[in-house]
Amino acid sequence: EAQVTQNPRYLITVTGKKLTVTCSQNMNHEYMSWYRQDPGLGLRQIYYSMNVEVTDKGDVPEGYKVSRKEKRNFPLILESPSPNQTSLYFCASSLRSGGGTEAFFGQGTRLTVV
Amino acid sequence: GNSVTQMEGPVTLSEEAFLTINCTYTATGYPSLFWYVQYPGEGLQLLLKATKADDKGSNKGFEATYRKETTSFHLEKGSVQVSDSAVYFCALSDPMDSSYKLIFGSGTRLLVRP
Repeated sequence: EAQVTQNPRYLITVTGKKLTVTCSQNMNHEYMSWYRQDPGLGLRQIYYSMNVEVTDKGDVPEGYKVSRKEKRNFPLILESPSPNQTSLYFCASSLRSGGGTEAFFGQGTRLTVV
Repeated sequence: GNSVTQMEGPVTLSEEAFLTINCTYTATGYPSLFWYVQYPGEGLQLLLKATKADDKGSNKGFEATYRKETTSFHLEKGSVQVSDSAVYFCALSDPMDSSYKLIFGSGTRLLVRP
């Protein structure tokens, strides 16, 4: 089954404790990205990757890091989480970049930073 | 910059009622337009899309027409079901944006009562 898998689904952590949210897709997609979803704001892009070893900042990259060492994986790293990073996070992938291409989303990771 | 504006929710309807969710956009170029749906506890799924003016996207009884003159992409369904209860997001992708990100509206929650 074609899918984007994120882990964990739920995470509660303390301020400053480094964490990684994993994302993996099995569709051989080139383009992957991370979004955060906040009430009243919709989804906003954090980082994106056009292909292996090619990553760039989205609209809200502060406090996050990513890496793309393999085509299928695109982890999101919070080196020192803060309460304002409490949010619902989605990983997405698409066959290629460009207008009109369907994005496939993971089920989401609900992160709470206390 | 590019943006998407959706009607505020929640929208509460009785089963078999007619649905309209308004969406307007601002874009410098000729974007592709999408409707994504998020069922409870799940990630976003593509519902329909349109890539050029006057295109009509349709799926599962939902329709939306790309109206360049009014910069709109309103979602409609003639007869909603309880199973349509979800959050609906209008989004655009600007081919002139090198990040190829999706820009989302804030989402509209639909609740359909039996």
